[in-house]
Amino acid sequence: NAGVTQTPKFQVLKTGQSMTLQCAQDMNHNSMYWYRQDPGMGLRLIYYSASEGTTDKGEVPNGYNVSRLNKREFSLRLESAAPSQTSVYFCASRLERGTGTTEAFFGQGTRLTVV
Amino acid sequence: GDSVTQMEGPVTLSEEAFLTINCTYTATGYPSLFWYVQYPGEGLQLLLKATKADDKGSNKGFEATYRKETTSFHLEKGSVQVSDSAVYFCAPFFYNQGGKLIFGQGTELSVKP
Repeated sequence: NAGVTQTPKFQVLKTGQSMTLQCAQDMNHNSMYWYRQDPGMGLRLIYYSASEGTTDKGEVPNGYNVSRLNKREFSLRLESAAPSQTSVYFCASRLERGTGTTEAFFGQGTRLTVV
Repeated sequence: GDSVTQMEGPVTLSEEAFLTINCTYTATGYPSLFWYVQYPGEGLQLLLKATKADDKGSNKGFEATYRKETTSFHLEKGSVQVSDSAVYFCAPFFYNQGGKLIFGQGTELSVKP
């Protein structure tokens, strides 16, 4: 029962470098999400995917791109990392049955530092 | 538009004190309401939920009641423990926003022995 798995757990990047954060879930969920968590800012939605083949912008999408590779996997890409993207990133998934009553399951997070 | 406002922290309490963390929302419809908890170094996990008006969610001694008339979902616990120290997030799910899931800003709770 892996749930939601994020890789890597820690990463240090230099300004301008690119990287992809990986997320996979094994619960057959249709909706997946990417958030960033910063001190005093709570959890802010970057992008989400309500179903396989669709992606939508959240509250803070600038500087990021996403790919819903298949139903299991939802990756987040930083094309040119900036120090402002230093944060803890969380992936989440949930099963939407058309009622909006189901909870989200979260990965353990990726701590990213951009120097 | 639909939004959520959560009581700011940090909140510091002594063990066995009463806890209330306020959460209110604005919505054109009737969202499902969730509280999540984040323990240090971990991701969020569901604490409790209520999916319709007047429902009460409960778990681990925590309770919250869906109040449609005041658009609120305040989290309460009668006697907190040191192990309750964590960050708590309120999260209404607005079904008319195409599956978007947003969170309140989080309230950090620290319980001292």
